[in-house]
Amino acid sequence: NAGVTQTPKFQVLKTGQSMTLQCAQDMNHEYMSWYRQDPGMGLRLIHYSVGAGITDQGEVPNGYNVSRSTTEDFPLRLLSAAPSQTSVYFCATQLAEPLTDTQYFGPGTRLTVL
Amino acid sequence: KQEVTQIPAALSVPEGENLVLNCSFTDSAIYNLQWFRQDPGKGLTSLLLIQSSQREQTSGRLNASLDKSSGRSTLYIAASQPGDSATYLCAGFGGSEKLVFGKGMKLTVNP
Repeated sequence: NAGVTQTPKFQVLKTGQSMTLQCAQDMNHEYMSWYRQDPGMGLRLIHYSVGAGITDQGEVPNGYNVSRSTTEDFPLRLLSAAPSQTSVYFCATQLAEPLTDTQYFGPGTRLTVL
Repeated sequence: KQEVTQIPAALSVPEGENLVLNCSFTDSAIYNLQWFRQDPGKGLTSLLLIQSSQREQTSGRLNASLDKSSGRSTLYIAASQPGDSATYLCAGFGGSEKLVFGKGMKLTVNP
């Protein structure tokens, strides 16, 4: 049982490049979310999904796209990377009921955009 | 809009002290309050979740309380140890599947 896995762990991009951050979970959790963590800003929600085929925007969605074709995977796409997207990105999952179920976080992806 | 605040941003204490970490939130219409721990370069690990109908939760040396009327939650750490050194974050869930995080408090427990 691997829990929540994220790849890559580190990535350096040039401005304008695109890439996909991968998130996978083997806990059969319905809820999945992407956060970014910046110094002095805390964690901010980018996008989230309440189940396969369903996604919605969080607090800071601009510049990011997501899709949820399976329960297990929730990739985050940067279409045209900008220096402002330099951050640590965390994927999180939750069983089903946000009122009672805690979130499980992946180890994070550290992204630098030059 | 829900805002979650943690003060102070950092705390350094000698080993063995009993600690109280504070978390305040602006919207009392909160469904639950969660406490997380984050070690350097790692993801977040859930410590305790308090539902709005509960007043406290306990796990080992940790005890978390929730007072919705005052907009406050506290995390109590008994007999602190160097291994407790980490950043502690609280987060409030106010509906719409969105968890709002505080900026965290960096705790250092000195041997």
